[in-house]
Amino acid sequence: KAGVTQTPRYLIKTRGQQVTLSCSPISGHRSVSWYQQTPGQGLQFLFEYFSETQRNKGNFPGRFSGRQFSNSRSEMNVSTLELGDSALYLCASRGTGRDTQYFGPGTRLTVL
Amino acid sequence: GENVEQHPSTLSVQEGDSAVIKCTYSDSASNYFPWYKQELGKRPQLIIDIRSNVGEKKDQRIAVTLNKTAKHFSLHITETQPEDSAVYFCAGGGNTGTASKLTFGTGTRLQVTL
Repeated sequence: KAGVTQTPRYLIKTRGQQVTLSCSPISGHRSVSWYQQTPGQGLQFLFEYFSETQRNKGNFPGRFSGRQFSNSRSEMNVSTLELGDSALYLCASRGTGRDTQYFGPGTRLTVL
Repeated sequence: GENVEQHPSTLSVQEGDSAVIKCTYSDSASNYFPWYKQELGKRPQLIIDIRSNVGEKKDQRIAVTLNKTAKHFSLHITETQPEDSAVYFCAGGGNTGTASKLTFGTGTRLQVTL
């Protein structure tokens, strides 16, 4: 099976702009979780989607949002970008009822 | 919510020695504890995991132990090799079938020297 894929791999934006990141899970996986990874804060949970519904949410401001499509692909959006949003954004997919999360390669977002 | 603390933040060992990384968690409802290895510029990869109904699990040179009473779990790597150099993350959480959430520790940078 193909692994989790994320696009784009790199993004450079300026403050105030918005950005949309995409994640395609492993075939058959219906759960997609998003994480923000920074050197100072480590891996922080953003939200999880299962069958197009958000099931869990981390402690991030409302500028961070997401959605999931019927084919389980997921997107996350960050509006009004701030310098502190510069990070590696990772998504992970999980099989239904399974614990193991498989990570994608990440999208490196730089906000100037 | 869950809080996972991980120590040490950096660890340097000589090739062939053992390495131990420790994590504590706060939520007694957590029942799943994975360990991920992340090499520079790469995605986190699961190396071993343990569920709360098991006290110890081993896979070749890697083992994980879990003490539910004390709410801590540890990763043990024996006979370390240079390719073990990476950042290791522990995590705690669980899933209800349709929902899951993992809380990660802050990572341990392991350096295996020749």
